[in-house]
Order: sequence, then structure tokens, then C-alpha cells
Amino acid sequence: GDSVTQMEGPVTLSEEAFLTINCTYTATGYPSLFWYVQYPGEGLQLLLKATKADDKGSNKGFEATYRKETTSFHLEKGSVQVSDSAVYFCALLNTNAGKSTFGDGTTLTVKP
Amino acid sequence: DVKVTQSSRYLVKRTGEKVFLECVQDMDHENMFWYRQDPGLGLRLIYFSYDVKMKEKGDIPEGYSVSREKKERFSLILESASTNQTSMYLCASSLGLAGNTGELFFGEGSRLTVL
Repeated sequence: GDSVTQMEGPVTLSEEAFLTINCTYTATGYPSLFWYVQYPGEGLQLLLKATKADDKGSNKGFEATYRKETTSFHLEKGSVQVSDSAVYFCALLNTNAGKSTFGDGTTLTVKP
Repeated sequence: DVKVTQSSRYLVKRTGEKVFLECVQDMDHENMFWYRQDPGLGLRLIYFSYDVKMKEKGDIPEGYSVSREKKERFSLILESASTNQTSMYLCASSLGLAGNTGELFFGEGSRLTVL
């Protein structure tokens, strides 16, 4: 079945540091890929997405590129802020099955 | 603004009690989902529904049931709560096949503690 593997956390960075959170997937067909973010005390919200190979999703300074050859969708940000502290989830949508599969989540803490 | 509302943010129940978790969305979405979120385990799909009165088992349906009598409402039912069902429960919705970008819209979650 489908699966998503994320870099284990927690990750602690200083403000303005470079962020990478690795994500790889296993899926049949051509899934769509997503990054969701969960701020403390809130539900998940979409951060960015990519629907086909080589697409780049971007939002709020975060980027991720759909790499079919390496089955990866790594999240990056050039300069993190304290307000980026949250849990980040990588996910895929199997359009045939109509349901999403999530990674375990990576907790990011950014210190001033 | 799109909204998914879960009826209770925090619940405390006793072992053996029947528990209802309610979820309402105002976006006219066809698809609705129930996940549970546990530390280190990410989100696991319990049940989902593509249409009124339709339901499909997710990855961990044991001990749960669901009801979808109206398009906007999807209820999760724990027939006899057990301590291992202590968790955060997240409801989500998405568009149907037509125009579906795949994005899930989540509620804020219901944290259930079973004593």
C-alpha cells in the first residue's frame, strides 16, 4: 500500500537558519503530494502541494519539488522564523483510492 | 472562508461509554474523513465517506463506526470507549472528483480522554 516516510524530529533551529525536512513516498500510479502544517492548538492546514512530476509547490517562503525519480518531496525554507515553529506533515493523495496517506510528522522549533 | 467545525474540543469519558464526535462543514464538500492523531504515529484514517449515507473503512476502523445522514455532517461513534482510544481526533473534508485538487480542510480537533 501507499506510505510516506518523513525525517524524524524534533528539529531545533536558530532563527534565519536553513530548513530541510526530508520526505519520501511509496505509491502506485501518480499521486499528488502535499505538505501540511499544524500550529500549536490548531488543526492541520495546507502549506503547499504539487500534482505532477517536477512541479514545485511554494508558499510563505517554503518550497518543495515533486521528484518522481527519487520518490521524494523534501520541504525547504531558506530562513526560518520563530513563527514557523509547528508540526509539519508530508502527505500523498492516491487519486484512484481517493484517500490521503500521511507521514508521522516532524516537529520544528525555531529559537530566537 | 471555508470551515470545518468539530463539536467538542475536549472530552473526558469513562470506559464503556458511548461517545459521539460531530463534524460539520460549510463548503458543500462531497468527501469527509475521520483521522486520529497520536504522537509518533502521524495521522491514521479511521473512516471516510464520499456521499450521504456512504461510508468506507480506513486503516484503523476497529472500535469505531460513522454516520453521514446529511452532506454537511459526519459523525464518529465509539460504541464502547476504551482507554486505547484516548487520542486527538481530526475531521477533514474535500471536494469530490470534479474539481478535486486533493486538498483536505481540517477541523481544529477533538481531544478525547477515556478513563
